[in-house]
Amino acid sequence: AQTVTQSQPEMSVQEAETVTLSCTYDTSESDYYLFWYKQPPSRQMILVIRQEAYKQQNATENRFSVNFQKAAKSFSLKISDSQLGDAAMYFCAYRSSGGGADGLTFGKGTHLIIQP
Amino acid sequence: NAGVTQTPKFQVLKTGQSMTLQCAQDMNHNSMYWYRQDPGMGLRLIYYSASEGTTDKGEVPNGYNVSRLNKREFSLRLESAAPSQTSVYFCASSRDRGLTNEKLFFGSGTQLSVL
Repeated sequence: AQTVTQSQPEMSVQEAETVTLSCTYDTSESDYYLFWYKQPPSRQMILVIRQEAYKQQNATENRFSVNFQKAAKSFSLKISDSQLGDAAMYFCAYRSSGGGADGLTFGKGTHLIIQP
Repeated sequence: NAGVTQTPKFQVLKTGQSMTLQCAQDMNHNSMYWYRQDPGMGLRLIYYSASEGTTDKGEVPNGYNVSRLNKREFSLRLESAAPSQTSVYFCASSRDRGLTNEKLFFGSGTQLSVL
């Protein structure tokens, strides 16, 4: 079974600065997907960014980018120019490819605090 | 755009009571899921349904039953609620056609307290 580890229960960053959230995972599969989801106090789960394992290029969505290191099984999220609205829980998640509809495996989350 | 709709949003039960959490999606998705979220534990999969008429156990299925009523609806039932089932419950869906597993869309969650 796959596991996802987020080693930072809480991170704090000054507004407008850059912060990196860490995620590692364990799998024996060669093809899979990785995700970062954001959960603000509203409780809604919002997809931030997605990476396909077969793609070497790191995914980018505006101020959000990832550093995907397949050999190291590492998938970190970088948030540039942090804004107050970025304050939330962030969950790293893994999903197998190949048609098995068994959902996502989540890490335990990182609570991101933005200091004004 | 409704997406994934869960009802109710909040519920308080007494130990031993039963209830059903409802979930519906209007995106014509094939796969549907039920997760629970506990403090410090992330989200854990309870049950999932790859298509209408099929259901499978996830990581934490004990104490729950599910029904995939049709393609749109996937319900979660607690037959005899226990305090350990106090949690936030999320329903999710994904398109998942053929060999392509896609991103999950989530409902807004149900806060359940069992006293």
